[in-house]
Amino acid sequence: AQSVTQPDIHITVSEGASLELRCNYSYGATPYLFWYVQSPGQGLQLLLKYFSGDTLVQGIKGFEAEFKRSQSSFNLRKPSVHWSDAAEYFCAVGARGYGGATNKLIFGTGTLLAVQP
Amino acid sequence: DTEVTQTPKHLVMGMTNKKSLKCEQHMGHRAMYWYKQKAKKPPELMFVYSYEKLSINESVPSRFSPECPNSSLLNLHLHALQPEDSALYLCASSQDRGVSIEKLFFGSGTQLSVL
Repeated sequence: AQSVTQPDIHITVSEGASLELRCNYSYGATPYLFWYVQSPGQGLQLLLKYFSGDTLVQGIKGFEAEFKRSQSSFNLRKPSVHWSDAAEYFCAVGARGYGGATNKLIFGTGTLLAVQP
Repeated sequence: DTEVTQTPKHLVMGMTNKKSLKCEQHMGHRAMYWYKQKAKKPPELMFVYSYEKLSINESVPSRFSPECPNSSLLNLHLHALQPEDSALYLCASSQDRGVSIEKLFFGSGTQLSVL
């Protein structure tokens, strides 16, 4: 069964510092991988996704992620964090639902990012 | 219009009440989803509608009843809920094709409290 692990529950970084959020997945085939961000009491916004091709994926808000099949990882990075990046970040893997379509998202438990001035 | 609109934003209900959550999108998406998110937990899929037909029910209790009256609207009817059903209920939509979750658009959710 597909699963996603985010080992860091809570991370604090200083504004301007670099950021890396870890994500490991379990999936038999080539996974569809996503990073979403959620501000308190809000819905989720897609930061970036990986389906195939170039393993370094660029997203919105200056984020990028690298797919490493050998490590079953899809870590999210940003070179310089802004105070507005404080939020919860979810890694997710796409899974097949009924009828064969890939229409299920399985989320990791999330990493809460705090940004210090 | 790239929005998914959910109403109400907040809802407090008693265990004997009947209420409904509403979700609307005008992006022409044919797949719509309900997710439930408990505090400090990831979202969990409840239902998926594809072309107004229910395609996934993740063994959700019958006190939650989804309805998709047309391609733009998705409702979640609530009846006889329990306090443990208190959560943020998120609606999402996407184009319905082979990898329909390629880009999910989420609403901002309805924060439900069951007393």
